[in-house]
Formats: sequence, C-alpha cells, structure tokens
Amino acid sequence: EDKVVQSPLSLVVHEGDTVTLNCSYEVTNFRSLLWYKQEKKAPTFLFMLTSSGIEKKSGRLSSILDKKELFSILNITATQTGDSAVYLCAVEPYNQGGKLIFGQGTELSVKP
Amino acid sequence: DTGVSQNPRHKITKRGQNVTFRCDPISEHNRLYWYRQTLGQGPEFLTYFQNEAQLEKSRLLSDRFSAERPKGSFSTLEIQRTEQGDSAMYLCASSLIPTGSQETQYFGPGTRLLVL
Repeated sequence: EDKVVQSPLSLVVHEGDTVTLNCSYEVTNFRSLLWYKQEKKAPTFLFMLTSSGIEKKSGRLSSILDKKELFSILNITATQTGDSAVYLCAVEPYNQGGKLIFGQGTELSVKP
Repeated sequence: DTGVSQNPRHKITKRGQNVTFRCDPISEHNRLYWYRQTLGQGPEFLTYFQNEAQLEKSRLLSDRFSAERPKGSFSTLEIQRTEQGDSAMYLCASSLIPTGSQETQYFGPGTRLLVL
C-alpha cells in the first residue's frame, strides 16, 4: 500500500534556528512529491519536486528529492515565528487521476 | 478572491442528520478533489472529478457519502445519517491539467464538521 511518512511529527525551535523536515515514501509509480504549509486553514503550496538532486528554493525555504532513497527534505533557514505551521508532504502517483497521498505532517513551532 | 472557496466553514450537527458542503473551485480548473483531514493527520483522498465526471472514489467513502459536480463547476459533498466518526475537516482542492505538464492542487479553507 502506498504510504508517506514524515518526521519528526513535531518540532519546537527558536527564531533564527535552521530546521530540516523529512519525508519518506513508498509509492508505486511515483510521479511527483509536493510540500504544503498548513496554518489553521487551507494547505498552501510550497514546492513540487519531480527530479532527483535538483534543489528548489523560495526565500528561506528549500527542498530536494532523492528518488533512489525515496525521500525528500524541506529546509527552513533563519526561522521566524510566522513559519509556525504544519508542513505536509504529499506524493502523486502516476495514473491515479492526480490524487495526493499525504504524510501525517510535521508541526513546527518557532518561539521568539 | 479567485481561490478555492468552501461553504460553510463550520458545521455542527446532531448524529443522524444529513449535511451538505459546497466547493467552488478556481474558475477554469477542470479537476476537483475532496479530502478529509482528522486532527493530527494529513488529508486523505475521498474522490475526484474531471469536469462533471466522478472518476474515482476512495474506500473511505461509504454509501452514506455522495458527491456531485453537475455542471463541471462547483461541487457538493453530502453525508447522510452522520456519525460521530464523520467529524473532521473536509477539504476541497482544484487543479488545471495543462497539456504535457503537471498540475498543482490548490486547496480551499475547508469545512470543519462536528457531529454531536
């Protein structure tokens, strides 16, 4: 059965720290991996990764995919209190209509 | 606001009652998805539409659940004879399938259902 596992499940850091969130997956016919940020509302899209070894970057956030070892990481540098949220990792298999298989999420809390 | 919208945002109902949620996708998005999210978990896929056709339903979607997208625009999700286990956040997402490319799903704010 396809599954996505995220670690850690929760994390507390102080402003300015750098954090690394992990996502591993077992999916038949992998197509893409996506990261979303969820505050107390809709998940908002961060990155879509399809190729191994190519870093995607947006401001202080970056992500990379390893299709051989079946994992991805999301890095956040110089964390701010506004980064506090649940970060969701999802995988899209091929030929399944685009449905996403989500991990449990990592709850990040950034303290001032 | 041109994002995905959902109504109502919150719904409290008594066990056994029927409820209906609405999702308005981003205009021109041809795919629409429903997910359910319980506390401390990631969203779980329920069903999806391409235009007005419902193409897949998860095993999570029992006979008490029905979804429609009659004109290929907005969608409704109805739960009949609600049970306490139906309490969750129901999320809608939409995407556009461009030729030769991959899609990104954009999520609505969700409808939080509490069944007493």
